[in-house]
Amino acid sequence: NAGVTQTPKFRVLKTGQSMTLLCAQDMNHEYMYWYRQDPGMGLRLIHYSVGEGTTAKGEVPDGYNVSRLKKQNFLLGLESAAPSQTSVYFCASSYRTSGGNTGELFFGEGSRLTVL
Amino acid sequence: LAKTTQPISMDSYEGQEVNITCSHNNIATNDYITWYQQFPSQGPRFIIQGYKTKVTNEVASLFIPADRKSSTLSLPRVSLSDTAVYYCLVGAQAGNNRKLIWGLGTSLAVNP
Repeated sequence: NAGVTQTPKFRVLKTGQSMTLLCAQDMNHEYMYWYRQDPGMGLRLIHYSVGEGTTAKGEVPDGYNVSRLKKQNFLLGLESAAPSQTSVYFCASSYRTSGGNTGELFFGEGSRLTVL
Repeated sequence: LAKTTQPISMDSYEGQEVNITCSHNNIATNDYITWYQQFPSQGPRFIIQGYKTKVTNEVASLFIPADRKSSTLSLPRVSLSDTAVYYCLVGAQAGNNRKLIWGLGTSLAVNP
């Protein structure tokens, strides 16, 4: 049981290049999330998904796209990378919950992206 | 959306009890309060979650007053390995609208 796995762990891009970050979870979780973490900013939600085939925007969705074609995978894409997207990206997943309970988020180890 | 405020940093010594308070004045009725721990170069890890009153598990306690405008994470007898950043998270789910707001975190340093 690997939990949440992110690939790649490190990547350096030039401005304007594109790339995709892959998140895979083996816990059969309904919900998946992509966050970015920057110094002094805390974690900010980029996009999330409440089930296979669904996605929704978070706090900072501009410049990113996502897809959830399979329940276990959540892809984060950068079509034209910018230096402002230099950050550490975290994927997380959780079970479906009822009412307002957000449930426990299980995080991957992060992907460090540098855009030059 | 409920935002949170917590101290930027705290210092403690091994064996002491540490209490970290988080302020969330505009918490909504459906919001739960969750705390996470994060070590350098790792993703956050769930510690505890509660809605009201007190919740206790094997690693921490969470105290929530009746008005729910604040919460306190209590770590009993900390050790050096508890040095980490602690995040207070207030969020809720309403159908497919899922909003999770993170605080900036409290950097806890445990000294020998």
